[in-house]
Amino acid sequence: KQEVTQIPAALSVPEGENLVLNCSFTDSAIYNLQWFRQDPGKGLTSLLLIQSSQREQTSGRLNASLDKSSGRSTLYIAASQPGDSATYLCAVGENSGNTPLVFGKGTRLSVIA
Amino acid sequence: GAGVSQSPSNKVTEKGKDVELRCDPISGHTALYWYRQSLGQGLEFLIYFQGNSAPDKSGLPSDRFSAERTGGSVSTLTIQRTQQEDSAVYLCASSLGPRKQYFGPGTRLTVT
Repeated sequence: KQEVTQIPAALSVPEGENLVLNCSFTDSAIYNLQWFRQDPGKGLTSLLLIQSSQREQTSGRLNASLDKSSGRSTLYIAASQPGDSATYLCAVGENSGNTPLVFGKGTRLSVIA
Repeated sequence: GAGVSQSPSNKVTEKGKDVELRCDPISGHTALYWYRQSLGQGLEFLIYFQGNSAPDKSGLPSDRFSAERTGGSVSTLTIQRTQQEDSAVYLCASSLGPRKQYFGPGTRLTVT
């Protein structure tokens, strides 16, 4: 059974700092991996989707990498801002991708002005 | 275009009552998923619809939970005889085949 782990569970950084969020998964036979952002009391916003054949995806200040063989992904946030404060969730899609995602428990990020 | 919508946004019900939660997926999306997010827990899969295929119900926690999807579009998640442990945020997502899943804002269910 696939298990997804995110470390750390919570992180507090000063504004402007670069940071890395970690995600690991136990079964490397994934189809894709998604990073989401969740604001308190809100739904999930998809940030980046990496297909299993890809190594990384970038969007603005965000860069997600995938090392499928070692079962790891990282989300790099450059020049963090208070507006980046949220919970970040990692989720893997298995098989053909037409399957429910398996989520980690998230990393709660606070960026202090 | 419009995203995934869910209603109600909040629902408070008494233990033992039945509740219905609604999800309107993005138009044209063939796949629809229900997840549950309990306090302190990650998101857990409940049920999945893909086109006209039989739904994958493997994540439903008990037979008090059921869901249907009418006309390949709107879905309703029904919880019968609600229990306090059913209190959670229920999230719906849709996708066009094996692509990015788009989530709705969720329904926060509180069972008193």
